[in-house]
Amino acid sequence: RKEVEQDPGPFNVPEGATVAFNCTYSNSASQSFFWYRQDCRKEPKLLMSVYSSGNEDGRFTAQLNRASQYISLLIRDSKLSDSATYLCVVNGQTGGGADGLTFGKGTHLIIQP
Amino acid sequence: DADVTQTPRNRITKTGKRIMLECSQTKGHDRMYWYRQDPGLGLRLIYYSFDVKDINKGEISDGYSVSRQAQAKFSLSLESAIPNQTALYFCATSDSGTGLTFGEGSWLTVV
Repeated sequence: RKEVEQDPGPFNVPEGATVAFNCTYSNSASQSFFWYRQDCRKEPKLLMSVYSSGNEDGRFTAQLNRASQYISLLIRDSKLSDSATYLCVVNGQTGGGADGLTFGKGTHLIIQP
Repeated sequence: DADVTQTPRNRITKTGKRIMLECSQTKGHDRMYWYRQDPGLGLRLIYYSFDVKDINKGEISDGYSVSRQAQAKFSLSLESAIPNQTALYFCATSDSGTGLTFGEGSWLTVV
């Protein structure tokens, strides 16, 4: 089983719809979790951290399910500008050192007008 | 100005040549990293450094070397470039417990 696994997509979603995608991880000792957004030919940018209690930032909601070892990202009222690749990132080491970060290969989202 | 600056942004070089990618940051972070990104393979860690005297190999360090010249500067070198090192290279910084801040990337083509 791959360490961090994502459906590569693409997910084609009409503007205004709600879309969700998951990311599974294999290391049950993983401590911290993140979603990054990457636009085509650009650098990844931190979208949100994922907390055990779940967290919400505007139209974006992230959830963590430790029992099933996955995190999810929900986007409500999707906008054309949400089109991007979303990277799941898992830190398997305590202390949060980025040497323990494992990146998923990303899920490609296309919002259609 | 960007928090993390990479130079050059684009470079085409010949097989066997030495090439250096430079990274500087204004975040004041101690931790700096070099990643490469290839289509279908995601981001992979090449080297990382937690302070000026600390250098660590990442997942794919073979064929690369690094130098941490100062807290704010971390350079990546390809001593003898080969075509399979053609990729998009990212420098990144972090503080303990925070996410990564990436530079804008350096496109390297080895012909």
